[in-house]
Amino acid sequence: DIQMTQSPSSLSASVGDRVTITCRASQSISSYLNWYQQKPGKAPKLLIYAASSLQSGVPSRFSGSGSGTDFTLTISSLQPEDFATYYCQQSYSTPGAFGPGTKVDIK
Amino acid sequence: QVQLQESGPGLVKPSETLSLTCTVSGGSISSYYWSWIRQPAGKGLEWIGRIYTSGSTNYNPSLKSRVTMSVDTSKNQFSLKLSSVTAADTAVYYCARGHPDVHAFDIWGQGTMVTVSS
Repeated sequence: DIQMTQSPSSLSASVGDRVTITCRASQSISSYLNWYQQKPGKAPKLLIYAASSLQSGVPSRFSGSGSGTDFTLTISSLQPEDFATYYCQQSYSTPGAFGPGTKVDIK
Repeated sequence: QVQLQESGPGLVKPSETLSLTCTVSGGSISSYYWSWIRQPAGKGLEWIGRIYTSGSTNYNPSLKSRVTMSVDTSKNQFSLKLSSVTAADTAVYYCARGHPDVHAFDIWGQGTMVTVSS
């Protein structure tokens, strides 16, 4: 099975900050990497699919990059509604493992 | 727009079988794959498995011996059965739609809390 790791596990940031979250796969997954945002008590929401494609309706301040084993989610200017936990997920093979999550909170 | 709704008992006794159904409304169940994902309180997301409308399934090896998924296209529903449950199976269970073009879960249900306790 492919294992996913994320760093950092948490971070504190201010509104307007540029935030970068890293995800690493235990083996190459090409570009089969998705990013989700989850707020407390809510279901996850798809932000980015195929490593860098923005899901419809998601603000353009979110962007993704990477291929192979190393991926990045960037929020260019953090907004109040972006404080949440972010998960990466590989869809290269089953089981489609998720990373452990990165919690973004207010500094 | 397409919506997913989980339903089933919120409390299951140890050693019994957890049964959940996800109802798809606002669109067809065809042309997608359908998944179950769970999340213990305060923890991360665990992929349980997926089913295609053909009935083909893939399960997480860690749960494979206990998981059965099925689909009823006439009712626009798919289901999860998890047998021999223990307290470790206590979690919020989500159903989700897998989009075959983007290989991602683009629509999720709101989630349903299932507690395993006697």
